[in-house]
Amino acid sequence: DGGITQSPKYLFRKEGQNVTLSCEQNLNHDAMYWYRQDPGQGLRLIYYSQIVNDFQKGDIAEGYSVSREKKESFPLTVTSAQKNPTAFYLCASTPGQGAHGYTFGSGTRLTVV
Amino acid sequence: KQEVTQIPAALSVPEGENLVLNCSFTDSAIYNLQWFRQDPGKGLTSLLLIQSSQREQTSGRLNASLDKSSGRSTLYIAASQPGDSATYLCAFYAGNNRKLIWGLGTSLAVNP
Repeated sequence: DGGITQSPKYLFRKEGQNVTLSCEQNLNHDAMYWYRQDPGQGLRLIYYSQIVNDFQKGDIAEGYSVSREKKESFPLTVTSAQKNPTAFYLCASTPGQGAHGYTFGSGTRLTVV
Repeated sequence: KQEVTQIPAALSVPEGENLVLNCSFTDSAIYNLQWFRQDPGKGLTSLLLIQSSQREQTSGRLNASLDKSSGRSTLYIAASQPGDSATYLCAFYAGNNRKLIWGLGTSLAVNP
């Protein structure tokens, strides 16, 4: 079955450490997205990519970085510059620019220890 | 400013009831609206996608309607079951800014 795989499910980060969250899709979708979810807040867009080797900042890109070297993969790095990284991170994809609906992964919960 | 409001924020009902979740949005130029389900600690599962040219979509016991003129969408759940307990999120896609605008969700508890 086609879908989006996020790994790991749980991730713990020490102060000053960079960590990378994986997102892989086998839906042949062009566009991929990273969202952050915090209690009591709506989902917020971190970065998105419409095509390989191109990506744009979302609403809360500071302290995060991404790459899109392959159509199937869109990893998110949470850098030490992100001061409050504890959150639930969701990866999504769409065939085009969202007109055909979004598909989401199962999420990664990141905790600072 | 584009916004989505979901009412009620929380809902607790006995099993078997028919119920309606509401979603209001501020941008009448939406491209589509999508309803999602989220179980605690899990990702989002797409339930229904309504294009701007459509009035409603149905899937099993779920029916979602869209009224662009009034800026409202409703998700109707028939004969609710304890397995329907989850948070339900709506989001609309406005093509001009290429992103989804999200509500905060309705937390539903269906009691046996």
